Amino acid sequence: ELKVEQNPLFLSMQEGKNYTIYCNYSTTSDRLYWYRQDPGKSLESLFVLLSNGAVKQEGRLMASLDTKARLSTLHITAAVHDLSATYFCAVDRGSQGNLIFGKGTKLSVKP
Amino acid sequence: GAVVSQHPSRVICKSGTSVKIECRSLDFQATTMFWYRQFPKQSLMLMATSNEGSKATYEQGVEKDKFLINHASLTLSTLTVTSAHPEDSSFYICSASRAGRNQPQHFGDGTRLSIL
Repeated sequence: ELKVEQNPLFLSMQEGKNYTIYCNYSTTSDRLYWYRQDPGKSLESLFVLLSNGAVKQEGRLMASLDTKARLSTLHITAAVHDLSATYFCAVDRGSQGNLIFGKGTKLSVKP
Repeated sequence: GAVVSQHPSRVICKSGTSVKIECRSLDFQATTMFWYRQFPKQSLMLMATSNEGSKATYEQGVEKDKFLINHASLTLSTLTVTSAHPEDSSFYICSASRAGRNQPQHFGDGTRLSIL
């Protein structure tokens, strides 16, 4: 059974600081996603990582994938308040594109 | 783009009522649609996967007679919560994807269901 673990679950950080969110998964998968969710809203797609060593960057966020270690990271650079949200990683279970989600990391960026 | 519309966005109804939620792909053909449930401050849990014209595949622990899924066309899937009770109150989110192995899921805006 595929399990996806995220840490930390809660992250409070000051504006301007850097931090990394980690996503570990238990079985082989070659497709990992990062999503953002604002309170009361649905999911916004951030990154799709399709291969070992994949690195993608968008603004202050950068995501990477190490399929051998079964680990993905979401790095936040010089955080700003607008990044406050809950971030989920999700791993493709491999059949019909079913996604298994991590528990999410609630990020709060304070001035 | 790939837009998925979900309706209604919010439902409040009495216990015992059946509630239907629609999920539409507006500008693409959705071979596969997914239904998720999210309880407050928790993650998304996959409920079922449906392919157009086929019976839905339910995840373990999800009652198929309680949560009826229909995917009759390439642009519409519906989830009906039958005889809803307060414990069914949740945020329900659908997603849709085109045919093909590497196709991403596109998420709807979600439906907040509150059963009194």
